[in-house]
Amino acid sequence: GAGVSQTPSNKVTEKGKYVELRCDPISGHTALYWYRQSLGQGPEFLIYFQGTGAADDSGLPNDRFFAVRPEGSVSTLKIQRTERGDSAVYLCASSRTSESSYNEQFFGPGTRLTVL
Amino acid sequence: RKEVEQDPGPFNVPEGATVAFNCTYSNSASQSFFWYRQDCRKEPKLLMSVYSSGNEDGRFTAQLNRASQYISLLIRDSKLSDSATYLCVVNPRGSGGYNKLIFGAGTRLAVHP
Repeated sequence: GAGVSQTPSNKVTEKGKYVELRCDPISGHTALYWYRQSLGQGPEFLIYFQGTGAADDSGLPNDRFFAVRPEGSVSTLKIQRTERGDSAVYLCASSRTSESSYNEQFFGPGTRLTVL
Repeated sequence: RKEVEQDPGPFNVPEGATVAFNCTYSNSASQSFFWYRQDCRKEPKLLMSVYSSGNEDGRFTAQLNRASQYISLLIRDSKLSDSATYLCVVNPRGSGGYNKLIFGAGTRLAVHP
């Protein structure tokens, strides 16, 4: 079946611009996560959705970052007034539920964001 | 101190070698543990979950020591295709009952002919 998809695969923008990154989770998965991975590091948690609501947004670096999941499926990560330090690969993951701590999270291919 | 610490490597080993990776975590209340594999410029993929009793999947063996807060991965009979970055992952599973993965920085493995 189809896995997690993310668009665009690459995004180059200028400092100060606004960007939106989209994630399509696996059909039927209720839990959706966003992570950010910088070069040479492991992915870093940003935000978690259970259904339509953000259950935990403690990983968002500051108020320039915001994410939505209005219908409990597709999610959009929004970054305002981008800075060069925002350059990274943004990964989305989904899992069937979050009932078990061993529920596997399936990752999308990521969006590589470059802020010039 | 990072929540999950790994030796970054790289580990350069010949085909057929046995190689072991170690990882320590700081949150003693962590609920579940994993090894993910990440190929260059690709997304992480689950290699195996790690259980208290230890578990094995073919050439791969994972061990967990909760008392020492230590996780290991052993790869036997290394193949060229095992070359990748191996990410140690911990799920602290907060009081809200949700899953949030904490990743180590990864250990690079390069298997050569």
